[in-house]
Amino acid sequence: AQSVTQLDSQVPVFEEAPVELRCNYSSSVSVYLFWYVQYPNQGLQLLLKYLSGSTLVKGINGFEAEFNKSQTSFHLRKPSVHISDTAEYFCAVSANTGNQFYFGTGTSLTVIP
Amino acid sequence: GAVVSQHPSWVICKSGTSVKIECRSLDFQATTMFWYRQFPKQSLMLMATSNEGSKATYEQGVEKDKFLINHASLTLSTLTVTSAHPEDSSFYICSAKTGTASNQPQHFGDGTRLSIL
Repeated sequence: AQSVTQLDSQVPVFEEAPVELRCNYSSSVSVYLFWYVQYPNQGLQLLLKYLSGSTLVKGINGFEAEFNKSQTSFHLRKPSVHISDTAEYFCAVSANTGNQFYFGTGTSLTVIP
Repeated sequence: GAVVSQHPSWVICKSGTSVKIECRSLDFQATTMFWYRQFPKQSLMLMATSNEGSKATYEQGVEKDKFLINHASLTLSTLTVTSAHPEDSSFYICSAKTGTASNQPQHFGDGTRLSIL
């Protein structure tokens, strides 16, 4: 089975500062990795995904993430955050043998003006 | 592309009534749809996986007679909460995949906030 750990439940950061949201996973098989963002009272929106190839993936809204197989991590980064980035962020993994996604517990990013 | 529409977005009803939530893939065919439940400040809990034309696969602990799922077409899945009670109040989210491959992302609806009085 797969599992996802998001160590930081809440991350406050000042506007225009960089941010990193951490995600670690465990799996006995190869996985695909995803980051989603959820704004209040809305569903989840795909930010970016890692399927194969280059370990640095770029997504929407200026976000990027780096897959590190040896550390089983897929941390999300943004060099300069905006107020509008305030939201809940979820990391998810999918085994290469199945359909199901496994979500982390989420990280609440608050951008302070 | 890959838009999922969920309706209604908010519903309030009396205890004992049944509530139907619709999940539609607007611009793609969804062989597989998923239903999640989310409690405040928590992650998504998978309730069931819905495959078009077959019975849904429920996760352990989810009452299939309580949460009826129908996936009658490649663009529509419905979740019916039968004889709803206050403890069923929650945020329900559906998602759909554009294909069956495991590397396909899930595309989410905007969720339905269900409040049972």
